[in-house]
Amino acid sequence: NAGVTQTPKFRILKIGQSMTLQCTQDMNHNYMYWYRQDPGMGLKLIYYSVGAGITDKGEVPNGYNVSRSTTEDFPLRLELAAPSQTSVYFCASSYGGESYNEQFFGPGTRLTVL
Amino acid sequence: TQLLEQSPQFLSIQEGENLTVYCNSSSVFSSLQWYRQEPGEGPVLLVTVVTGGEVKKLKRLTFQFGDARKDSSLHITAAQPGDTGLYLCAALRHGGATNKLIFGTGTLLAVQP
Repeated sequence: NAGVTQTPKFRILKIGQSMTLQCTQDMNHNYMYWYRQDPGMGLKLIYYSVGAGITDKGEVPNGYNVSRSTTEDFPLRLELAAPSQTSVYFCASSYGGESYNEQFFGPGTRLTVL
Repeated sequence: TQLLEQSPQFLSIQEGENLTVYCNSSSVFSSLQWYRQEPGEGPVLLVTVVTGGEVKKLKRLTFQFGDARKDSSLHITAAQPGDTGLYLCAALRHGGATNKLIFGTGTLLAVQP
């Protein structure tokens, strides 16, 4: 199993541009998540999904959109990129939503908005 | 508002030393997880503690969940360079949604050979 894969690894955007961060998992997990990690701030939940066709906002959803058309894929869309969105983005998945379920993380996408 | 505070933020020690990292909150949690993150990679789960007062050991790492389920500690004995990384605690708030983890600010550990 490849686990959770993310593309691209790095990206530089200009202010106002848009892009989609791709995330795929091959573990047949129902739950998927998008986080952003800023220096000294830990991880903040952007959006999550409990299954295909179902998504919900996390702690910091503004400026982002998601979709979940399949169990495997959970892309994150940035519209009108802003410097405040410069961050490292992590996608994660878990088998269930219970507190003891392990979240498996992808390697991250480092995004810079100039 | 940061619900999970970790201390210290940074720690640089020599190989062989012992250390303790803390994760504190004023909220009660149904469980707490510790992750380690290496540069350029995503976090990897080390342990989950669910019972107040619970102690779990993973080789040289000892994890404890506070009796009141508001705090946790990670103790490393005889640290090695391979222990270098960012240590993150994450918790599910008691009574909250079952699938939203709150992450702490992290402790960056550097173990010098």
